[in-house]
Amino acid sequence: AQSVSQHNHHVILSEAASLELGCNYSYGGTVNLFWYVQYPGQHLQLLLKYFSGDPLVKGIKGFEAEFIKSKFSFNLRKPSVQWSDTAEYFCAVIYLSNDYKLSFGAGTTVTVRA
Amino acid sequence: DAGVIQSPRHEVTEMGQEVTLRCKPISGHDYLFWYRQTMMRGLELLIYFNNNVPIDDSGMPEDRFSAKMPNASFSTLKIQPSEPRDSAVYFCASRIQGLVNTEAFFGQGTRLTVV
Repeated sequence: AQSVSQHNHHVILSEAASLELGCNYSYGGTVNLFWYVQYPGQHLQLLLKYFSGDPLVKGIKGFEAEFIKSKFSFNLRKPSVQWSDTAEYFCAVIYLSNDYKLSFGAGTTVTVRA
Repeated sequence: DAGVIQSPRHEVTEMGQEVTLRCKPISGHDYLFWYRQTMMRGLELLIYFNNNVPIDDSGMPEDRFSAKMPNASFSTLKIQPSEPRDSAVYFCASRIQGLVNTEAFFGQGTRLTVV
């Protein structure tokens, strides 16, 4: 079955540390890739997206992600986190060959300590 | 556009009662998704529609759950009868699939508590 895997369940960091969250998807042909963020008590908001072209995409709030097709990966990075980055992060995939189903990973909770 | 609108924002009901959650997608969007979020299971896709037609309802947990989309601007998720384990936050999302790819936009969610 087509699926999305996030490597880390909970990450704890200090401010100014670098962040990298792993995401892998199962093979399924052409995909659209997304990272969403959910701040405490809020709904999901888009951080960044990849459809085609440059595999390194930049999003809001200093986040970026790299699509590596050979590894079926779309890892999220931020060079220097802030306390306000404390949130849950979700990787998501639309498999264009599977009725455009939008599937999410289990999420990674990121806690940034001041 | 006001975005995806869900109602109510909070619902508290007694076990056995019928609950109806509502969603108004962004105008022009042809895909609508219903998700359930809990601490234990994370974000689960329950069902999604394309042009008002259900495409995949394999995520619907039981026959107690049903969803409809009578027109392009409205969808409901109904639980009858409700049980305490249905307590969760239910999100609706919509997107458009056309010549230009887009992301899904989420509503604020409905927090359901079944006591």
